[in-house]
Amino acid sequence: AQSVAQPEDQVNVAEGNPLTVKCTYSVSGNPYLFWYVQYPNRGLQFLLKYITGDNLVKGSYGFEAEFNKSQTSFHLKKPSALVSDSALYFCAVRVNNNNDMRFGAGTRLTVKP
Amino acid sequence: ETGVTQSPTHLIKTRGQQVTLRCSSQSGHNTVSWYQQALGQGPQFIFQYYREEENGRGNFPPRFSGLQFPNYSSELNVNALELDDSALYLCASSLVGAPTDTQYFGPGTRLTVL
Repeated sequence: AQSVAQPEDQVNVAEGNPLTVKCTYSVSGNPYLFWYVQYPNRGLQFLLKYITGDNLVKGSYGFEAEFNKSQTSFHLKKPSALVSDSALYFCAVRVNNNNDMRFGAGTRLTVKP
Repeated sequence: ETGVTQSPTHLIKTRGQQVTLRCSSQSGHNTVSWYQQALGQGPQFIFQYYREEENGRGNFPPRFSGLQFPNYSSELNVNALELDDSALYLCASSLVGAPTDTQYFGPGTRLTVL
């Protein structure tokens, strides 16, 4: 069965600094990987996904993620954090022939001015 | 905003009761998935509907059931509510339900079971 792990419950960065939110996955077969962001009392907003091709994926709001097959990772990155990026971030994985999307437990990102 | 709407926003029920949650999918999408998000956890997949048929189910008991209508809107029904059913229920719509599809989420329904 597929699963994802987000090893950090909380990430704190200063505004203007680069940020990284970590995600590792475990699947049988090729993974389809997704990042979502959740603001308080809101649903999940799609940021980006990796299906195939270029390992560096660019998404919404300046975020990007790098697929690393050998390390089974899909870390979310942004070169310069904004206070408004503070939110809960979820990594998720799906595999072919399975409609079950598995989410990590989430990482709370706090960007301080 | 995604164009996916859910109703009601909040709901309070007592143990043993039944509840129906509703979801309208984004225009052009024929697939709806439902998720349960308990406090402090990531969403857990309940089931998916594609063209009015159940198209995949997570590890939830049969008292969780659903429907999808010809206009691709959907309902989640939960019978015999338990305290542990208290959670945020999210629906997500996608174009055709393929594993590569992006799912677009609604704002959720917060269910409290007393």
